[in-house]
Amino acid sequence: DGGITQSPKYLFRKEGQNVTLSCEQNLNHDAMYWYRQDPGQGLRLIYYSQIVNDFQKGDIAEGYSVSREKKESFPLTVTSAQKNPTAFYLCASSTHTGELFFGEGSRLTVL
Amino acid sequence: AQSVTQLGSHVSVSEGALVLLRCNYSSSVPPYLFWYVQYPNQGLQLLLKYTTGATLVKGINGFEAEFKKSETSFHLTKPSAHMSDAAEYFCAVSGSFLTGGGNKLTFGTGTQLKVEL
Repeated sequence: DGGITQSPKYLFRKEGQNVTLSCEQNLNHDAMYWYRQDPGQGLRLIYYSQIVNDFQKGDIAEGYSVSREKKESFPLTVTSAQKNPTAFYLCASSTHTGELFFGEGSRLTVL
Repeated sequence: AQSVTQLGSHVSVSEGALVLLRCNYSSSVPPYLFWYVQYPNQGLQLLLKYTTGATLVKGINGFEAEFKKSETSFHLTKPSAHMSDAAEYFCAVSGSFLTGGGNKLTFGTGTQLKVEL
């Protein structure tokens, strides 16, 4: 079935470590996104990419990095510079009609 | 710039009662508006969307929303709540599409719907 796959679903990190969250889509969408979700704050855009080898910062990009080497893949690295990384991370892709399709999310907890 | 305000972070209704979740938006250009639903520890699923044309939009699971430009609102309704409707609902707005395709959405803070027997 077509969709977006995020992994891992749950991830624990020690302070000072970088971690990478995977996002793969087989919907043939050009645009992909990473959102962060915190209770009571809705979704906030971290990074987005409109095309392979190009990406732009969203509203809260500090402490995060991404790459877009393939159309299907848009991994997110949470670096040690991110001061409060514990959150639920959502990856999405979209068509030209504007509808976003979301993955199941990855929950990151810093120990 | 776009923004979304969802009035009421928690709404509780009885099973069979009307569901009304409020959303007001601000946009400098004609908006595209969306409602998404999220079940615990899952991603978001599109309920419905307004782009152009008819202002009353019907979505999945019996939900509908009406775009009212004069009130800058896009409230979500369902005539009769079901236990399975208990979830978090997010309103989102997009003012324009990205030149390379895609759509930067601005989300509201969400409304948790509780359905009681």
